[in-house]
Amino acid sequence: AQSVTQLDSQVPVFEEAPVELRCNYSSSVSVYLFWYVQYPNQGLQLLLKYLSGSTLVKGINGFEAEFNKSQTSFHLRKPSVHISDTAEYFCAVSPLGGGKLIFGQGTELSVKP
Amino acid sequence: DTGVSQDPRHKITKRGQNVTFRCDPISEHNRLYWYRQTLGQGPEFLTYFQNEAQLEKSRLLSDRFSAERPKGSFSTLEIQRTEQGDSAMYLCASRVTDTQYFGPGTRLTVL
Repeated sequence: AQSVTQLDSQVPVFEEAPVELRCNYSSSVSVYLFWYVQYPNQGLQLLLKYLSGSTLVKGINGFEAEFNKSQTSFHLRKPSVHISDTAEYFCAVSPLGGGKLIFGQGTELSVKP
Repeated sequence: DTGVSQDPRHKITKRGQNVTFRCDPISEHNRLYWYRQTLGQGPEFLTYFQNEAQLEKSRLLSDRFSAERPKGSFSTLEIQRTEQGDSAMYLCASRVTDTQYFGPGTRLTVL
């Protein structure tokens, strides 16, 4: 079985500041890792994913994430945030070969001017 | 737009009524997933299909819930005798290779 823990439920940050959203996971098998973003009253949009290879993954909107196998983490970062990045961010895992996604509880990123 | 579509986007119903939601996946995606998301929580898996076969159902999917994908294309999720606890966002996703793409969701409110 897999589980995902997002360590911060809310992250307030000022515009143009850097941000890190933390994600830890637990799994007895190898997994794929994902970050999704959800804007109010909308579905989820894929930001980035780690399947294999380089542990630093770049996604859309200037986000990147680093897979750390020893610490079972997949933290999301952005060097300079914009007001438009205000949204809910979800970390998720799925077992290799596909299957259902297991999500964390989400981190609400609030970017203030 | 060739993304995942869901209909309706919003549904308000009275307790005890039946509701049905529809999901149209991205063309040629053979796997289709349903999730439920309650306020302040991450989505929780309900069930998934590979083509027309329903391969896994969550324990969250009580006997009042049924899902179909009759021809391996669109899918429907029906909730019978709705309860207030069924109020949630119902998300559909379709998958190609290793990535799931989500629709906009159907928000259900049970009064």
